[in-house]
Amino acid sequence: EVQLVESGGELVQPGGSLRLSCVVSGFSLTDHWMSWVRQAPGKGLEWVANMNEHGSQTYYVDSVKGRFTISRDIAKNSLFLQMNSLRGEDTAVYHCVKSIGGSGTSWGQGTLVTVSS
Amino acid sequence: QSVLTQPPSASGTPGQRVTIPCSGSTANIGSKNVNWYQHLPGMAPKLLIHTNDQRPSGVPDRFSASKSGTSASLAISGLQSEDEADYYCGAWDNSLSVYLLGTGTKVTVL
Repeated sequence: EVQLVESGGELVQPGGSLRLSCVVSGFSLTDHWMSWVRQAPGKGLEWVANMNEHGSQTYYVDSVKGRFTISRDIAKNSLFLQMNSLRGEDTAVYHCVKSIGGSGTSWGQGTLVTVSS
Repeated sequence: QSVLTQPPSASGTPGQRVTIPCSGSTANIGSKNVNWYQHLPGMAPKLLIHTNDQRPSGVPDRFSASKSGTSASLAISGLQSEDEADYYCGAWDNSLSVYLLGTGTKVTVL
């Protein structure tokens, strides 16, 4: 069974940093594109970042470029999102997603990041 | 960055048919596959349709989708109360190298 479990979300001050983790099971990170998608309070879903199955290509939405980094640890079956220089508008539930553009899409439940002083 | 545009809301009575349009451009819908997601309150979003019109196993055949040019649409036939949710279209954008998600449509069953 495919599972994605996010963690790491918490309250952080503006300008701070946070690292989100997504532990996956039931599939290999080397076989699928992986993404982070967020949903701010009262807003719609917003794609944040992608990494290809080889780990060689990454893509980001403009609003997080230079601040967020997607990475992975194959041995730990984990996907990460390093978030620096956090802003209030980054407050959201962050979902880890397998194969967002494909036929085998699976979503995690998400982890809440709150940026506030 | 460009967006995929959906109406903010749609509604119908039980048994009715509801259609949700999704408007894009040649860089996304016009040249790439469209996917649809259902997001029930308090749940993780779920893939409803992939590759423009394909239903994953387990998705009722009440849900169907189509694509024409730079627009796509999702149809829910025989609307049921459990269909109350937010629905999003999604597609890769070739020119921006980003995955675009639609603005979302909240479906209400009256």
